[in-house]
Amino acid sequence: KNEVEQSPQNLTAQEGEFITINCSYSVGISALHWLQQHPGGGIVSLFMLSSGKKKHGRLIATINIQEKHSSLHITASHPRDSAVYICAVGAIQGAQKLVFGQGTRLTINP
Amino acid sequence: EPEVTQTPSHQVTQMGQEVILRCVPISNHLYFYWYRQILGQKVEFLVSFYNNEISEKSEIFDDQFSVERPDGSNFTLKIRSTKLEDSAMYFCASSESYRDRGYQFFGPGTRLTVL
Repeated sequence: KNEVEQSPQNLTAQEGEFITINCSYSVGISALHWLQQHPGGGIVSLFMLSSGKKKHGRLIATINIQEKHSSLHITASHPRDSAVYICAVGAIQGAQKLVFGQGTRLTINP
Repeated sequence: EPEVTQTPSHQVTQMGQEVILRCVPISNHLYFYWYRQILGQKVEFLVSFYNNEISEKSEIFDDQFSVERPDGSNFTLKIRSTKLEDSAMYFCASSESYRDRGYQFFGPGTRLTVL
């Protein structure tokens, strides 16, 4: 069983739609990271959270530690949001090591 | 804005050759990491480095791999004898901490192609 599972694997939506990407994990964690990978391959860290909710612009990340689940939301989506979104966790044991999900490929059509 | 840089952006090498991938982490960061992503697959952790020594490494990081911080700014990943399966994108990252301030900043990656 994968330690970090994301859903959906692929998501296509129209500009302006509200987007939700889900992440479930099976290990105890010290923190969960949401990352964005651009078509060229570069990776940008979006959020690091260990509880509650964080917001940055149109992006919102939430985590439920008891349910071992996190969501990334994008409000008023735009074609420039098209990218692969990756969930990664730092386990309590070996907290420096990030374990990555397989990513969700998001395409926003104009 | 501070950023992690990596060189080269693309490295092509013959199987069995040694390669060194270079990274310049953000200057006040203390934790350094190497990850790799084989085409079409997940990003995988290779190694973390703190206080001039390896703090964690994965099963992938075998004797063919080594890391070094030769001076105050560079952080290198060496692959001694490359194999075809080492072809991947290699990402360097750095962070101020791994706990509360463990936001990791990633470099743009080095694409390694082993022929």
